[in-house]
Amino acid sequence: DQQVKQNSPSLSVQEGRISILNCDYTNSMFDYFLWYKKYPAEGPTFLISISSIKDKNEDGRFTVFLNKSAKHLSLHIVPSQPGDSAVYFCAARMDSNYQLIWGAGTKLIIKP
Amino acid sequence: DAEITQSPRHKITETGRQVTLACHQTWNHNNMFWYRQDLGHGLRLIHYSYGVQDTNKGEVSDGYSVSRSNTEDLPLTLESAASSQTSVYFCASSDGRGKPGELFFGEGSRLTVL
Repeated sequence: DQQVKQNSPSLSVQEGRISILNCDYTNSMFDYFLWYKKYPAEGPTFLISISSIKDKNEDGRFTVFLNKSAKHLSLHIVPSQPGDSAVYFCAARMDSNYQLIWGAGTKLIIKP
Repeated sequence: DAEITQSPRHKITETGRQVTLACHQTWNHNNMFWYRQDLGHGLRLIHYSYGVQDTNKGEVSDGYSVSRSNTEDLPLTLESAASSQTSVYFCASSDGRGKPGELFFGEGSRLTVL
């Protein structure tokens, strides 16, 4: 029973274009949603988060959108750069114990 | 600079052996976590600790144990390694005062059980 799902294992985007990574969840008790970025042979690093009471959060080229009625969030990267090539994990935090539930990840490839 | 380090980075062992993966952080964070990452599963929580002498089981704790005798270290022990425990293991820490849910990860330990 996966509570956080990233249905696209990989995504290929042209440099300079917009990258959109998607994430679906099932549990309405999540209070925060986070995106982490992971390069090969490194640990994940925090990228951006959004509270469940917001619908948008922006940080430079990165914007996360939350649609609570659809239980869906997305990460937009504009414009996409070669250094954005990485695996992106969506994670959700339980408000009861603050534990993170992770999606399986989406590998983003930025083509020159 | 403060950091979190894991050792060994790579380990090959045999079924039935005891293995310990080390995790050391210099941020003085109270919260420490062990995850495993497997293809198609994302990160799954093994054990976690909110302070010295505190340990808790996560989602996939069977076959693993941890101990927290000081703030800096949370070693993960596989009492009798099994092939199903072949995975990449990540240690993480947080102080609970930063962004909600923000964890700081080590570089990972790749374990192969033959």
